[in-house]
Amino acid sequence: EVQLVESGGGVVQPGGSLRLSCAASGLTFSSYWMHWVRQAPGKGLVWVSRINSDGSSTSYADSVKGRFSISRDNAKNTLYLQMNSLRAEDTAVYYCARGELRRPFDYWGQGTLVTVSS
Amino acid sequence: QSALTQPASVSGSPGQSITISCTGTSSDVGGYNYVSWYQQPPGKAPKLMIYDVSNRPSGVSNRFSGSKSVNTASLTISGLQAEDEADYYCSSYTSSSTYVVFGGGTKLTVL
Repeated sequence: EVQLVESGGGVVQPGGSLRLSCAASGLTFSSYWMHWVRQAPGKGLVWVSRINSDGSSTSYADSVKGRFSISRDNAKNTLYLQMNSLRAEDTAVYYCARGELRRPFDYWGQGTLVTVSS
Repeated sequence: QSALTQPASVSGSPGQSITISCTGTSSDVGGYNYVSWYQQPPGKAPKLMIYDVSNRPSGVSNRFSGSKSVNTASLTISGLQAEDEADYYCSSYTSSSTYVVFGGGTKLTVL
C-alpha cells in the first residue's frame, strides 16, 4: 500500500522559514516525479512545485518562485519543501502527491498545516 | 481566482444524476486530454476519481464518468449516494509555466 506522510508544518512568523518533509513507502520512490500542492483554509487546491525522479529538474508556481525549494533524498524515500521568506498568504495545508509528467496525482498524503502569523 | 471555472455548488437527491462543469481555455482543458477530477471529503485529502478526461482508476465506482467538449470538461455522477457528498476539483495540464491548474472546487450536497 502506497503511503505518503507529510510532517514539519507549524506556526511561523512572516519572513520566517520552514522545511516540510514527505516520507514515502509502498512504492519505488526513486522512479516517480513528486509534487507539492497547497490548500489555503476554505479555498481550493493550488499546485506549488514538482521534481523529477532523480531530482535534476524542478519547477515552481510563480507565487513561490525564488522563495521555496523542492528536493528529494531517494535513499531516504523522502521529499522536501524548503520554504523561506514566508508570507501570510502561504498559510495552507500542504500536500505531497505523486504524479508523472502530464499524469494525474494518483496518491496524496494527508497534508500538514503551515500557519504564517505574527 | 482559479484558472479553471467550476460552479460553487451543486445538489441532488439520492438516486439522481448531477453534472459538474469545468471551463478552461485552449491552453489547458481544450488543448490536452489531461483533465482529472478529484473528490475531497471535509477534512480529508483529495482522491483521484477520473483521469485523462474519462478514465476511472481501479476501485472508483462506474457511477462516476467524465467527458470534454472544446474548452469545457464535465464530471457526471449517476445514482447519487450520501457518501458522494464532498468537494470536487477538476485539474488540467497546461502549456504555461504553471504546469497544472485546478478549478475552484464544487461543493456537492446530497439532499
